[in-house]
Amino acid sequence: GNSVTQMEGPVTLSEEAFLTINCTYTATGYPSLFWYVQYPGEGLQLLLKATKADDKGSNKGFEATYRKETTSFHLEKGSVQVSDSAVYFCALLNQGGSEKLVFGKGTKLTVNP
Amino acid sequence: EAGVAQSPRYKIIEKRQSVAFWCNPISGHATLYWYQQILGQGPKLLIQFQNNGVVDDSQLPKDRFSAERLKGVDSTLKIQPAKLEDSAVYLCASSPNHAVAGRYEQYFGPGTRLTVT
Repeated sequence: GNSVTQMEGPVTLSEEAFLTINCTYTATGYPSLFWYVQYPGEGLQLLLKATKADDKGSNKGFEATYRKETTSFHLEKGSVQVSDSAVYFCALLNQGGSEKLVFGKGTKLTVNP
Repeated sequence: EAGVAQSPRYKIIEKRQSVAFWCNPISGHATLYWYQQILGQGPKLLIQFQNNGVVDDSQLPKDRFSAERLKGVDSTLKIQPAKLEDSAVYLCASSPNHAVAGRYEQYFGPGTRLTVT
């Protein structure tokens, strides 16, 4: 079946530090991959996505590259800000199936000033 | 453009009681989803509607959960009777159409936090 595995949290960084949140997936076929972010007290928001191998999704300084050979979609940001503190979810959506998002467990990021 | 609306935001009930959640999707969105997010886990799809028809309810515990989307707009999710393990955040999302090949983004509401005591 389809599944997503994220690195365990929580992650605590100082402002301007480099961020990596690892995400690997298991899927049949060729899924689309997503990162969602959930700020405190708010709903999930799409952060970025990639729909095929070697695509790079980017938004708000965050990037992730769809690596088919390693079945990975790691989230990176070069310099985090306090406002990036949130929970980050990696997710996949498989084509041709029931088209439902399958989420990882989430990684809580706290950025200190 | 107004986002996905959900109510109530919080609900506390005793086990064996019933509860209902309401969702109003973004205007014009054909597809509506209900997810269950247990603390420390990612959201899990319970049911997906396309207009007022069910596309996928394979993970909905049908002995106690029910959902409807009358007229293809608003939706309600009901739990009757509730169990302790139903404590979770219930998220509603909508998208313009099926999320084919990731083409359409799913927009999430703020969720309803249910506590069953």
